[in-house]
Amino acid sequence: GAVVSQHPSWVICKSGTSVKIECRSLDFQATTMFWYRQFPKQSLMLMATSNEGSKATYEQGVEKDKFLINHASLTLSTLTVTSAHPEDSSFYICSARDYGYTFGSGTRLTVV
Amino acid sequence: QKEVEQDPGPLSVPEGAIVSLNCTYSNSAFQYFMWYRQYSRKGPELLMYTYSSGNKEDGRFTAQVDKSSKYISLFIRDSQPSDSATYLCAMSGGSNYKLTFGKGTLLTVNP
Repeated sequence: GAVVSQHPSWVICKSGTSVKIECRSLDFQATTMFWYRQFPKQSLMLMATSNEGSKATYEQGVEKDKFLINHASLTLSTLTVTSAHPEDSSFYICSARDYGYTFGSGTRLTVV
Repeated sequence: QKEVEQDPGPLSVPEGAIVSLNCTYSNSAFQYFMWYRQYSRKGPELLMYTYSSGNKEDGRFTAQVDKSSKYISLFIRDSQPSDSATYLCAMSGGSNYKLTFGKGTLLTVNP
């Protein structure tokens, strides 16, 4: 079946630094990838939709300059949290769309 | 009114029980309906995928969609402790392919 690999699975960074999260579709080409954020005991909130070779489409309220998304190939999308602050601490999950939607295992970001 | 409503529970049942989970929605454009299982600190994994109305069965899991009532259900038969997780309904429709999730229901199956 379709597999999506997400790295790192957890990261701790200092306030003010940037963190990059990678999402790879291992056995299929994903024209569309999605990035979600999930707070404890909350559902997944869509942050942005990225299409290979074009700019990401951000959901209302999501800062484009803070959450940089790059979808440079059909198998790789990256999310960079720039100038991270403690309130950015959360669980970030990517999803790749082929015939269905396959999710990565998530990245737990802690900003100290 | 939220687009997708799901009772967050928590729901606690004994092993072997039949579990019923459900979601309601308001957007008539939704045509694709999914149930995901999410273990703590993991990404969601797809359990069931249904297009439009009807029933679908896969092992101990049965998904039902009633578009006239805007209501979807997931039934788990002979529940096992390993079924303990958060169950999320998700749906999509239209051309943007975005998924809209319910809040998730936390299920605990007690041995």
